Amino acid sequence: DTGVSQDPRHKITKRGQNVTFRCDPISEHNRLYWYRQTLGQGPEFLTYFQNEAQLEKSRLLSDRFSAERPKGSFSTLEIQRTEQGDSAMYLCASNDYQETQYFGPGTRLLVL
Amino acid sequence: AQSVTQLDSQVPVFEEAPVELRCNYSSSVSVYLFWYVQYPNQGLQLLLKYLSGSTLVESINGFEAEFNKSQTSFHLRKPSVHISDTAEYFCAVSDSGTYKYIFGTGTRLKVLA
Repeated sequence: DTGVSQDPRHKITKRGQNVTFRCDPISEHNRLYWYRQTLGQGPEFLTYFQNEAQLEKSRLLSDRFSAERPKGSFSTLEIQRTEQGDSAMYLCASNDYQETQYFGPGTRLLVL
Repeated sequence: AQSVTQLDSQVPVFEEAPVELRCNYSSSVSVYLFWYVQYPNQGLQLLLKYLSGSTLVESINGFEAEFNKSQTSFHLRKPSVHISDTAEYFCAVSDSGTYKYIFGTGTRLKVLA
């Protein structure tokens, strides 16, 4: 069991560019969650998947954000036309119909 | 709607002293409660959780938390802290449906030598 992995760990981009993050959950975990954590704040829920179905999206997830989990395994989170306000740590977590979520190391995004 | 309040943003404490990190929640349904720890530039690690049963839960590294339904609290305590406990601690609540977490704003524990 290798845990939840995220790639890249760090991303610096210019305002207006598109970025994509990847999350690989723990093998056979059917639920996958995305959170965003800004400096000095707790993580905020963005969206979650049960297998390949995206079941809930937060209002924080504007039209510029899209998440997919095409085969019910890894997931991607894309941000189009990035803004400076998108700078944050993006965390991924997974579980298997249990209460406890297991978090990855996060992807830290800096938009210049 | 569920919410979590961590009143203390920073808690400095001397090594080997006791510490309490406060967490209060609001929810209209039964909840699950968690404490996670985050070290610099890392993800969140589960410290302990309350799901049901005994209201006092313990972690393997000496932390404990007590679920108090009447006061809607889930405070984290440790009788004697170490330098290595310096980190940010997050309290979270979830429900039995989506299991998505609602986090507090975190408490930065700074253990001083």
